[in-house]
Amino acid sequence: NAGVMQNPRHLVRRRGQEARLRCSPMKGHSHVYWYRQLPEEGLKFMVYLQKENIIDESGMPKERFSAEFPKEGPSILRIQQVVRGDSAAYFCASSPPTPGKNTEAFFGQGTRLTVV
Amino acid sequence: GENVEQHPSTLSVQEGDSAVIKCTYSDSASNYFPWYKQELGKRPQLIIDIRSNVGEKKDQRIAVTLNKTAKHFSLHITETQPEDSAVYFCAASLSGSARQLTFGSGTQLTVLP
Repeated sequence: NAGVMQNPRHLVRRRGQEARLRCSPMKGHSHVYWYRQLPEEGLKFMVYLQKENIIDESGMPKERFSAEFPKEGPSILRIQQVVRGDSAAYFCASSPPTPGKNTEAFFGQGTRLTVV
Repeated sequence: GENVEQHPSTLSVQEGDSAVIKCTYSDSASNYFPWYKQELGKRPQLIIDIRSNVGEKKDQRIAVTLNKTAKHFSLHITETQPEDSAVYFCAASLSGSARQLTFGSGTQLTVLP
């Protein structure tokens, strides 16, 4: 099991460009969460997705940010028209379909987005 | 929504001493409290967790205590080693599991040799 895979690890975008961050959950996991970590801060919840469904997007900025988790393929966090304030580390985590004995969420290595 | 406060923000201890990090939470319905260790540039990794039906949990040199009445929980690391140096985050969840965690702001622990 390769764990939660995120790519790219580092992403540089100019202001106004689009950023696409990908997350492949662990095998057998159908729940995906995206968190944002600003420098020297804790992780902030952004969105919780299941396959083809957004369960909770209460942490997502209202504009420019969107997320999806299609039936096939990785989960995508998309940031349109990036601004300097979007520079952060974006972490994806996944968990099994139902909470059971092991309810740990496993984190990916993160994508470090730098907007120049 | 839930709010988690974490103290201290930085902590330096001598190797072999104990380290204690404290967190408070605001929503009395929170029922799952994990602690994560994050080394520089790496992913957060779960080191220990506790549920609201338990007051204390221990795993070798690491222990967590939970006071539901006061709405605070603490991480205790005994016999600290240089490799314990990292940022530690507490978190709370309403779901009974690691879904939709609210994180504290982190504690930079430095263990001095």
